[in-house]
Amino acid sequence: GVTQSPTHLIKTRGQQVTLRCSSQSGHNTVSWYQQALGQGPQFIFQYYREEENGRGNFPPRFSGLQFPNDSSELNVNALELDDSALYLCASSSGQGPSYEQYFGPGTRLTVT
Amino acid sequence: GQSLEQPSEVTAVEGAIVQINCTYQTSGFYGLSWYQQHDGGAPTFLSYNALDGLEETGRFSSFLSRSDSYGYLLLQELQMKDSASYFCGVRDDKIIFGKGTRLHILP
Repeated sequence: GVTQSPTHLIKTRGQQVTLRCSSQSGHNTVSWYQQALGQGPQFIFQYYREEENGRGNFPPRFSGLQFPNDSSELNVNALELDDSALYLCASSSGQGPSYEQYFGPGTRLTVT
Repeated sequence: GQSLEQPSEVTAVEGAIVQINCTYQTSGFYGLSWYQQHDGGAPTFLSYNALDGLEETGRFSSFLSRSDSYGYLLLQELQMKDSASYFCGVRDDKIIFGKGTRLHILP
């Protein structure tokens, strides 16, 4: 399945954070989402074969990487209090967003 | 703009049938997905409609009307374990999710 690390994280405003995701075996597309409490997942960006091929309405301080082994990272610079949320990664096969994505358990980020 | 609308909460009785509606307004459309998320858990895929009509998967069915920009998820023979949040998601060049519907089930 899809795994994410760490499970929980507490950071201070202005700091930088890196979240990690390991996709399901055989999946070459990974998407990252931000989910605030009581809200639906908001699309941050998507990577296919190590290239970003879709981005939501998030500022450039949200960046990512996808590695050849289909693991990926989400980096957030200059953390703000509103960045506190559950960050989900989801993997799927194919180039575009699949209708069936496999989500990881998420990383709960708290910014103080 | 792009938006999806779902009821914030729905309550039903164990053993009954419940329908969760979703209306959407998006620039592109390839299909409508439904996901279930239990508290503290990850969203899990339930169903997908690319064409108009009803798709049935066990106790869960999903319906789509592209002309009405409308779909619904139907849950039959409700069980207590179905208590969760349900999200509809529109697929175009990415997947956009609604805010979710919290399903409460009464014994």
